[in-house]
Amino acid sequence: ETGVTQTPRHLVMGMTNKKSLKCEQHLGHNAMYWYKQSAKKPLELMFVYNFKEQTENNSVPSRFSPECPNSSHLFLHLHTLQPEDSALYLCASSQEQTSGYSTDTQYFGPGTRLTVL
Amino acid sequence: AQTVTQSQPEMSVQEAETVTLSCTYDTSESDYYLFWYKQPPSRQMILVIRQEAYKQQNATENRFSVNFQKAAKSFSLKISDSQLGDAAMYFCAYRSSYSGAGSYQLTFGKGTKLSVIP
Repeated sequence: ETGVTQTPRHLVMGMTNKKSLKCEQHLGHNAMYWYKQSAKKPLELMFVYNFKEQTENNSVPSRFSPECPNSSHLFLHLHTLQPEDSALYLCASSQEQTSGYSTDTQYFGPGTRLTVL
Repeated sequence: AQTVTQSQPEMSVQEAETVTLSCTYDTSESDYYLFWYKQPPSRQMILVIRQEAYKQQNATENRFSVNFQKAAKSFSLKISDSQLGDAAMYFCAYRSSYSGAGSYQLTFGKGTKLSVIP
């Protein structure tokens, strides 16, 4: 596997289900991200993990719970979702500096298409 | 807060012709990065080209080039010799150069859907 991979590619779940999205990066990066892409809206950053520590949480509802066990893996745990949470969820990774200037480029996975019934 | 605007929701180009996609942004920072990403129907977000704001020279990648006008805060993408495989959504994105909280975010425009006519 190369680049950033995501599983599953498609997921249909009821509002009472609990499921998890998985992301794995094979690029040796130290930062990982979850984005949400809804129809007719710009991509929205949800969470950022840098060196396995969560550094940003952009006011995401608690029904979304991220987990980053190591710098190569990122999970998004889902529970009691709403139909409006249906979207494409994209994972990305990048190589960040510890301080000063960033090294900018984020590489994306293929996404998980989530449908909440 | 930074904003990115793509004023063309849809565009089309004849195969082998040239097309330019527009992007403007708003920021108070002097150092930053700009990107064009391509998202084909497969949904994979693919980096097309990146530009560092402190570099005056416009970035080029094969058939893709940008026209970066820092004072005007404009960052257009030119695709030369358009191919059927270029058909996709194209997103312009901005990112601060500085590390630290809030700097990791890529701010995306709403995208331009490019169709390539055979």
